[in-house]
Amino acid sequence: DTAVSQTPKYLVTQMGNDKSIKCEQNLGHDTMYWYKQDSKKFLKIMFSYNNKELIINETVPNRFSPKSPDKAHLNLHINSLELGDSAVYFCASSQSAGGPVTQYFGPGTRLLVL
Amino acid sequence: AQSVTQLDSHVSVSEGTPVLLRCNYSSSYSPSLFWYVQHPNKGLQLLLKYTSAATLVKGINGFEAEFKKSETSFHLTKPSAHMSDAAEYFCVVSDRDAGNMLTFGGGTRLMVKP
Repeated sequence: DTAVSQTPKYLVTQMGNDKSIKCEQNLGHDTMYWYKQDSKKFLKIMFSYNNKELIINETVPNRFSPKSPDKAHLNLHINSLELGDSAVYFCASSQSAGGPVTQYFGPGTRLLVL
Repeated sequence: AQSVTQLDSHVSVSEGTPVLLRCNYSSSYSPSLFWYVQHPNKGLQLLLKYTSAATLVKGINGFEAEFKKSETSFHLTKPSAHMSDAAEYFCVVSDRDAGNMLTFGGGTRLMVKP
């Protein structure tokens, strides 16, 4: 069974559209994340979310919004897509603890905005 | 603030020869350090992690890394490369001052020649 899954795997859409990417984890973790990987393979955190707190990377445009219907899901909604949003988006999860945590990543969603 | 520098964007080795992927980090607290691997068009897989226990950490697929605080380094090594090791490798730092957020290095592409 896949621990962290994302749908869709590929997403091709036009500029200006609104789209969502879904993420589900079956690890029983309490914290989920979204990362963006650009064309140069650089990975950057976008959001960190648990049932208590949403932490937003200040560089993320407010067109991006995470939505969590329950502890096992953290979906990413993107409004008014722009060419620069083309990237691979990774979801991850972890179990928060007093010390360091290990994050487990999904397979990625490859978004192409035309 | 935490940061990670991977000193080589590309490393090329012959099959059966040793692998060395270099990583230096900056962290305001005792960091946790990770190496993740990304095979082409795949997600991120955890290779190994250091969390203030033994400084020499063994991971999957014969990889290991040594934490050297005096050099602020966490280099990844493997005695003998396999063709299947060809992938992108990311050095990652996390510390409590950053809310356990992960900061990724720029990645090193490992190429293995037959």
